[in-house]
Amino acid sequence: DTGVSQNPRHKITKRGQNVTFRCDPISEHNRLYWYRQTLGQGPEFLTYFQNEAQLEKSRLLSDRFSAERPKGSFSTLEIQRTEQGDSAMYLCASSLARDEQYFGPGTRLTVT
Amino acid sequence: KQEVTQIPAALSVPEGENLVLNCSFTDSAIYNLQWFRQDPGKGLTSLLLIQSSQREQTSGRLNASLDKSSGRSTLYIAASQPGDSATYLCAVLYYNQGGKLIFGQGTELSVKP
Repeated sequence: DTGVSQNPRHKITKRGQNVTFRCDPISEHNRLYWYRQTLGQGPEFLTYFQNEAQLEKSRLLSDRFSAERPKGSFSTLEIQRTEQGDSAMYLCASSLARDEQYFGPGTRLTVT
Repeated sequence: KQEVTQIPAALSVPEGENLVLNCSFTDSAIYNLQWFRQDPGKGLTSLLLIQSSQREQTSGRLNASLDKSSGRSTLYIAASQPGDSATYLCAVLYYNQGGKLIFGQGTELSVKP
């Protein structure tokens, strides 16, 4: 069990650029979640997958955001045409069914 | 609306003190509740998970309790140490939510040597 990993750890981009983040869950976990956290706030849910199926998307996930989990393994979160309001920590978590969720170290996005 | 609230937002205590962090939730139909620790700029570390059918869970110096009827959970930290300084987050998985954890805003704990 190597834990949940996320790459990159930090990303600085200019407004209007596209960015993609990757999450590798704990290998035996069938569920993968994405959350977003801004300074001083608790994480907010974005979306989650069970195997390769995306089962729920938050209304926070505008049409500029897309997430995939091909083959039910790693997941990617893409943000198109980034805006300054997208600056946040993007957290990935995984779990076995509805059990305990384990979080990765996060990707900090700064949009200038 | 299903919400989670943590009070106080910040807490400072001297080393060695026992302390209690509070978490309240608006709907008693919870599936489970997790307590997390977050160090500045880092991800979340899971501390304790309490299932809906349980009243408490213990891990080392930590003890978490759950009272669904009153919509409250507490995290008790015994004999606090400076290394316990971090933000503590409470998160609830409600029965009608497939997998979405709803988080409180956290309590920032500072333990002074």
